Amino acid sequence: DQQVKQNSPSLSVQEGRISILNCDYTNSMFDYFLWYKKYPAEGPTFLISISSIKDKNEDGRFTVFLNKSAKHLSLHIVPSQPGDSAVYFCAARDSGAGSYQLTFGKGTKLSVIP
Amino acid sequence: SAVISQKPSRDICQRGTSLTIQCQVDSQVTMMFWYRQQPGQSLTLIATANQGSEATYESGFVIDKFPISRPNLTFSTLTVSNMSPEDSSIYLCSVGSGYEQFFGPGTRLTVL
Repeated sequence: DQQVKQNSPSLSVQEGRISILNCDYTNSMFDYFLWYKKYPAEGPTFLISISSIKDKNEDGRFTVFLNKSAKHLSLHIVPSQPGDSAVYFCAARDSGAGSYQLTFGKGTKLSVIP
Repeated sequence: SAVISQKPSRDICQRGTSLTIQCQVDSQVTMMFWYRQQPGQSLTLIATANQGSEATYESGFVIDKFPISRPNLTFSTLTVSNMSPEDSSIYLCSVGSGYEQFFGPGTRLTVL
């Protein structure tokens, strides 16, 4: 049973427009959420995170929104740039497990078209 | 942040053989983690390696198949034993905590 779901395997967006990547989760014990970006032949790199006590966190062009009642979070990238083309992974921490336990989604491949 | 390197970056192996993957970190860290990403799947935690103690394996992973060493605070190895084509994956090591984890570049393993 997949506890973190990224239902869109791919997304194409025009340069300058907004990219919205979605993530749903099922485990109510998740208390911290992270987004990672992965380029081919590289490891995932940390992008932005949000605690379950917040509903929004912003860092430059990247904003993560959390809707706890819907068990849904989204990553907004504005404006999108060709260098943002990568696979984006949503991850969640289970406060009931070890503090290091991260559960990942399958990822969404974002393509930003110049 | 931490700079993490892995060796080899990729390998093609025959079934029934074993491969040892090395992970080197540029600073001393308490916990190191090994993940696997099978094709089209999410990253799955294999085990957590603490220096000076036995690795802790997640459900579905066993020490006989994935023995891990952690001889010091900057280095760890993961061995994939008696490989089968189902072991074809990207193997990644990481360091950090649940608040933030830093990943190595990964080892792409193909088993024929």
